[in-house]
Amino acid sequence: ETGVTQTPRHLVMGMTNKKSLKCEQHLGHNAMYWYKQSAKKPLELMFVYSLEERVENNSVPSRFSPECPNSSHLFLHLHTLQPEDSALYLCASSQGWGSRVPNYGYTFGSGTRLTVV
Amino acid sequence: GESVGLHLPTLSVQEGDNSIINCAYSNSASDYFIWYKQESGKGPQFIIDIRSNMDKRQGQRVTVLLNKTVKHLSLQIAATQPGDSAVYFCAESLGVGRRALTFGSGTRLQVQP
Repeated sequence: ETGVTQTPRHLVMGMTNKKSLKCEQHLGHNAMYWYKQSAKKPLELMFVYSLEERVENNSVPSRFSPECPNSSHLFLHLHTLQPEDSALYLCASSQGWGSRVPNYGYTFGSGTRLTVV
Repeated sequence: GESVGLHLPTLSVQEGDNSIINCAYSNSASDYFIWYKQESGKGPQFIIDIRSNMDKRQGQRVTVLLNKTVKHLSLQIAATQPGDSAVYFCAESLGVGRRALTFGSGTRLQVQP
């Protein structure tokens, strides 16, 4: 285990469903990230939270809604998704969100494999 | 945590041989680079990093080389083992004020016993 835990590991949902992905980090980090990993593209940054405040939203459609209730937990709420949203969703954390990427970069969870049917 | 389905370049090596994985990065202002390893069922894991004021850095069985002139990064793995089989990503930080990591598309390393 890396210290970043994601649940569920696998999720199949219909296009009209509402579901949430959960991420929890036990590293004492203060920045958390959502990345999307799909079959045809490199890892894409979706959202960044620093000290529970959203500091970056990388032009993600509104059907993805993040929530960061505290520095240890991050959620990604999903509603009315499309089949092209099927992907691996990775959560990561780091110590610090400043002017530079911190040393050692980010610590990733194992991801949630999402399939939209 | 695997990137199954991604049409990745693949490097196939024999166990015990040295492996070299290459990455071309995009931005001449990038000042920090990381190599990640992603095994099947897991998320990316940090291997080694290098700042732009260096051209070489060594870890345990791994070496990263940075050529800023041609914007090229390489990862060398000595005495490759079956456990090294994974997808390897380079990531770059695009410099001061561009604070998130940007990832390359990855290379799949297959180690033949």
